[in-house]
Amino acid sequence: GENVEQHPSTLSVQEGDSAVIKCTYSDSASNYFPWYKQELGKRPQLIIDIRSNVGEKKDQRIAVTLNKTAKHFSLHITETQPEDSAVYFCAARGGNKLTFGTGTQLKVEL
Amino acid sequence: DSGVTQTPKHLITATGQRVTLRCSPRSGDLSVYWYQQSLDQGLQFLIQYYNGEERAKGNILERFSAQQFPDLHSELNLSSLELGDSALYFCASSVGPTGWDTEAFFGQGTRLTVV
Repeated sequence: GENVEQHPSTLSVQEGDSAVIKCTYSDSASNYFPWYKQELGKRPQLIIDIRSNVGEKKDQRIAVTLNKTAKHFSLHITETQPEDSAVYFCAARGGNKLTFGTGTQLKVEL
Repeated sequence: DSGVTQTPKHLITATGQRVTLRCSPRSGDLSVYWYQQSLDQGLQFLIQYYNGEERAKGNILERFSAQQFPDLHSELNLSSLELGDSALYFCASSVGPTGWDTEAFFGQGTRLTVV
């Protein structure tokens, strides 16, 4: 089955700096890679996703890159703000399952 | 509001007991996924149903079972509960079962506390 590894588990950045979270997956058949943000005590919410036919996607301060050959994808947040503080999960869909990484606790410090 | 409804929001029960968690997917979504999130843990996939049939199974314990009904709502049954079963249980739904279907929308979760 699919295995998704996510790094780092915690990340602290200064407000205005960039943050990068990386994930690798094992199933080469996976074709959909979403990123979810989960604030404390709340449900995960999709912030951006990418499908296997593109290498990069941007949405304002957020971007995701995908390297299918290496089987890794990354989330980039620029100009971080305190409200970006949350847990971020990557995921990979292979077949019927959406498998999540273990999460990254991002803390944006003033 | 994601459109996915989970009930109850909170549940406190004793060890050895049995509980049922309920999920109503978004209108039009045929897939329902169940995830377990323990304290400081990621989202562990339990099971997926598509249009009433089991489609994928993750690390779901034998004490746990689920089903999806003709009206597409789903129930997760947890029996012989142990302290370690205390967690936040999320339901998510999506349009289709696989391939290029759209994102999975999560419900607010059911927080289960076993005492």
